[in-house]
Amino acid sequence: GQQLNQSPQSMFIQEGEDVSMNCTSSSIFNTWLWYKQDPGEGPVLLIALYKAGELTSNGRLTAQFGITRKDSFLNISASIPSDVGIYFCAGQVNAGNMLTFGGGTRLMVKP
Amino acid sequence: DSGVTQTPKHLITATGQRVTLRCSPRSGDLSVYWYQQSLDQGLQFLIQYYNGEERAKGNILERFSAQQFPDLHSELNLSSLELGDSALYFCASSVANTRLGYTFGSGTRLTVV
Repeated sequence: GQQLNQSPQSMFIQEGEDVSMNCTSSSIFNTWLWYKQDPGEGPVLLIALYKAGELTSNGRLTAQFGITRKDSFLNISASIPSDVGIYFCAGQVNAGNMLTFGGGTRLMVKP
Repeated sequence: DSGVTQTPKHLITATGQRVTLRCSPRSGDLSVYWYQQSLDQGLQFLIQYYNGEERAKGNILERFSAQQFPDLHSELNLSSLELGDSALYFCASSVANTRLGYTFGSGTRLTVV
């Protein structure tokens, strides 16, 4: 079955630093999504990507849909304490298909 | 508020017991998905319902079952509970044939003692 490898598994950074995380797959996805889960809450959609090569920003967050359609990247600039949480990538082959989730990247920010 | 409502928010029960978790999807969403998350690990897909019918099954134990009712709310039944069933259980919903992803509820934290 399809699998998404998300890395790193966890990051502990200083406030103000930039963060990068990525997801790779052995198969093609036509939609990539990035979610954030605050502690004790459900995941919330941050960014959706629909086209290979697409670069989309949401405030300090920037995500890219890889050209091969087998990977995606999320960058967070100038991290702040409220960025703490677990970030999940998700891929979808076609509309109506199930989402495949990555294992998550746990981000910890030191003030 | 995401529009997906899960109750109860917290549940503490003893081993061997049975519990029911409830989910009301976002208005207009026909699909409901159940996920299990243990100790801040990844999201383990359990089961999907679409408009009252089971659509897909993941790593759901035989002790667990679910259903979606005509009003589209869904219930996840967990029986013969074990300590290892302690986890966060999330419900998510989506419209049909969407590329907009799922909307998650805030979860039910189940503690089995």
